Parts: sequence; structure tokens; C-alpha cells
Amino acid sequence: GENVEQHPSTLSVQEGDSAVIKCTYSDSASNYFPWYKQELGKRPQLIIDIRSNVGEKKDQRIAVTLNKTAKHFSLHITETQPEDSAVYFCAANSMDSNYQLIWGAGTKLIIKP
Amino acid sequence: NAGVTQTPKFQVLKTGQSMTLQCAQDMNHEYMSWYRQDPGMGLRLIHYSVGAGITDQGEVPNGYNVSRSTTEDFPLRLLSAAPSQTSVYFCASRDGLASSYEQYFGPGTRLTVT
Repeated sequence: GENVEQHPSTLSVQEGDSAVIKCTYSDSASNYFPWYKQELGKRPQLIIDIRSNVGEKKDQRIAVTLNKTAKHFSLHITETQPEDSAVYFCAANSMDSNYQLIWGAGTKLIIKP
Repeated sequence: NAGVTQTPKFQVLKTGQSMTLQCAQDMNHEYMSWYRQDPGMGLRLIHYSVGAGITDQGEVPNGYNVSRSTTEDFPLRLLSAAPSQTSVYFCASRDGLASSYEQYFGPGTRLTVT
């Protein structure tokens, strides 16, 4: 079945710098790769997603890149701000479970003032 | 729209007790899922449903049952609670259309089993 690995588990960056979080997946049939942000005590919320027919997608300070050959995708946050501090999760859909999402373990992003 | 709602917000059970976590959505979504979230382990899929009357197992189904008698509701039953089931439980839903994969989460239920 699908396996999604995410790293690093914790990332600390200076405010204004960029942050990059990486994920790898195992199921070559996966075709949807979302990123969710979860603030402490809150529910996960979608911040950006990408489908397998696209290599890169941007939304203001956030971008996601996908390398289907290598089976990895990355989240890029530029000009980080204190409100970016949260846990970020990647996911990939799995053919084995009717294209339900399989999740990475999460990255705690800390923005240092 | 209320979106996805879950009750209760918090629950403490003793080992061996049973209970049902409630989940409802008012977006007419076909797909609904239950996840558990443990520290450092992300979200793990317990059970899911692709429509009323259809359910299937996810990664960690043991100790849990589900049913889907209506499009709106997807309750999760703990049959005999164990301390290993202490976790935060999230229900999620999404449209069944291939053009719309975004999952919408409920606020979660924090369950402690003593």
C-alpha cells in the first residue's frame, strides 16, 4: 500500500527566510498531493494541492513542486511570518483505499522572530 | 453551512466501555472518513465511506465499527475501549467528483481511555 514519508519532523527558520518541507510517496498510481496546515488544537486545513499532471503550483508565498519520476513533492514557503508557525502535513491518495489520503507524519515549523 | 460537525468535543472512557463518536456534514458530500491523530504520527485512516450504505476499512480499523445509513451522518463506534485508543479523532468529508479532492475536517474529538 501507499506509504508517505515526510521530513524534517521539525524545522526552525528565521522570520523572513524560506522554509522547505519534503515528502516522498510509494504508490506510482497516486495522482493528488495536498498540503495541510494545522495550528495547535485546531483541525487541519488545506493550504495548497497539486495533481500529477502539473509540476509546480504557486499561491502567493506558498508553492508546491512535484517530481513524479522520483516520487517526491515539496512545500516551499517564502518570506516566512510568525503566523506560518504550525504543523504541516503532506498526503497522497492511495489506489489501495479507493484514493483516500495517506498522510505524512507532519513537520513542526517554528518561525523565530 | 455548518460544514463538518463532531460530537462530543471531549470524552473520557474507562477501559472496556463502548461509545459512539458522531459526525455529520451538510455539504452533500459522498465521501466521509474517520482518522485518528496521535502525537508525531500524523493522521491515520480508520474507516471510510464512498456513499450511503458503503463503508470500507482504512489503515487502522481494529476496535472500531462504522455505518453510513444517510449521506449526512457517519458515526464511529468504539466497541470496547482500550488505552491505546486514546487519541484525537477527526471526521472528514469530500465531494465524490474527480475534480474535487479537498477534504473538509470536523473540529475533532479528544478521547482519553483510562
